[in-house]
Order: sequence, then structure tokens, then C-alpha cells
Amino acid sequence: GAVVSQHPSWVICKSGTSVKIECRSLDFQATTMFWYRQFPKQSLMLMATSNEGSKATYEQGVEKDKFLINHASLTLSTLTVTSAHPEDSSFYICSVPSTGSYGYTFGSGTRLTVV
Amino acid sequence: DAKTTQPNSMESNEEEPVHLPCNHSTISGTDYIHWYRQLPSQGPEYVIHGLTSNVNNRMASLAIAEDRKSSTLILHRATLRDAAVYYCILRDGGGSNYKLTFGKGTLLTVNP
Repeated sequence: GAVVSQHPSWVICKSGTSVKIECRSLDFQATTMFWYRQFPKQSLMLMATSNEGSKATYEQGVEKDKFLINHASLTLSTLTVTSAHPEDSSFYICSVPSTGSYGYTFGSGTRLTVV
Repeated sequence: DAKTTQPNSMESNEEEPVHLPCNHSTISGTDYIHWYRQLPSQGPEYVIHGLTSNVNNRMASLAIAEDRKSSTLILHRATLRDAAVYYCILRDGGGSNYKLTFGKGTLLTVNP
């Protein structure tokens, strides 16, 4: 499977500011990446599918204007949390899919705390 | 999305085998059975996946029922590092829907 690097691993920001999270596929050209959010003691919730060179596809209930996704190259997808509020504090995880013989690869996650 | 059902939690002793069950009675013919695990404060880690036949790799074995409506992840000798939440997920291999939808998973506790 792919090698995925997610950055930063944690970030603290003030309410009302924006935060950008990067997900890099280091050895695999990823036309698609996925972004998940995970609240404490809960499972991962899929937020959106990031598509290289086109608009992201958001899951129902996820605000596309608040969670901006850019996938400008085959190795980088970014998630920007705009005008962050304390309720956006969560663990954000990206994933690179695979086909056939390999499993999906996940980033190490970004812990966002909005104060 | 086809759903899976797993026990909320299981407990094992170190160095003993662990059998983690998963029911997926609505599985379709093109669905792959994927298993991932997540340690605290980390992203999920791929464990194993299969379609119809049993699979083995360095981490675990996957036993798939003949009717494919259930599967079992087998950890042959549990270690403390195997303590994690284990997710059984169906991934559609027949179309363009690559999404992995996570359920609640099974929290595995390994006792020393």
C-alpha cells in the first residue's frame, strides 16, 4: 500500500481562525483521498472524498464551505477548517485508497483543538 | 453501504489466540472484507482483507465463511501491542465507490 504523511499531528488554534491540514501520498499517485473526523470514543466518520483536479464530494451533513478540500496534485490533498469553533475540535484523518491486493493507508491523524 | 456487526468488546490473554467475529449478512458478490485496527490517538492500520478464500499474512489470518455472510479475524498469539479497536468493513470492489465506512468496531483488551 501507499505511504501517507499527514501534517501537522496536532494544532491548537483560536476560535474564528482557519487551520490547514495536509495529507501527502509519498509513493503513490492518488487521484482520490478520503477525509475522516473522529470524536473521542467514537468511530471514524467520513467527511468527504477528495478528487484530484476536481471538486470534493462531501458526505451528507458536512458543510463544504466550512471544510475546504483542495486536491491540486496526485500527491497532496489539504483540508482547511475555516472559522474554527470549539465544536470543530476533533481528530482528523486522511486516507489513500487502494485497489485489489492492497489495503487502504491512513495518515497518522491531526488533533485539532479550538480554544 | 453493506453493514457489518461486531461485538463491542472482547478480552484476551497475552500469547493466546484471539478470534474476532464479524457478521455481514447483506454482503454482495463484489464486496471485499477489510479489517483495520486503530490504536489510541493514531490513524487506522490495515490488517488484512479478502474476497472469498481464507487469507494469511504476517499480522493475522482471515477466515471467511463459505456463504461469505460472516468472517473471523484471527490473531494467532495476542500481544499487548495488539490491544486496539478492530474494524471489519466491506469495500465495494465492483464499482467506483471506494469509500470505507467505519462501524463501531470491537475494542480488544489484552491482559498480561
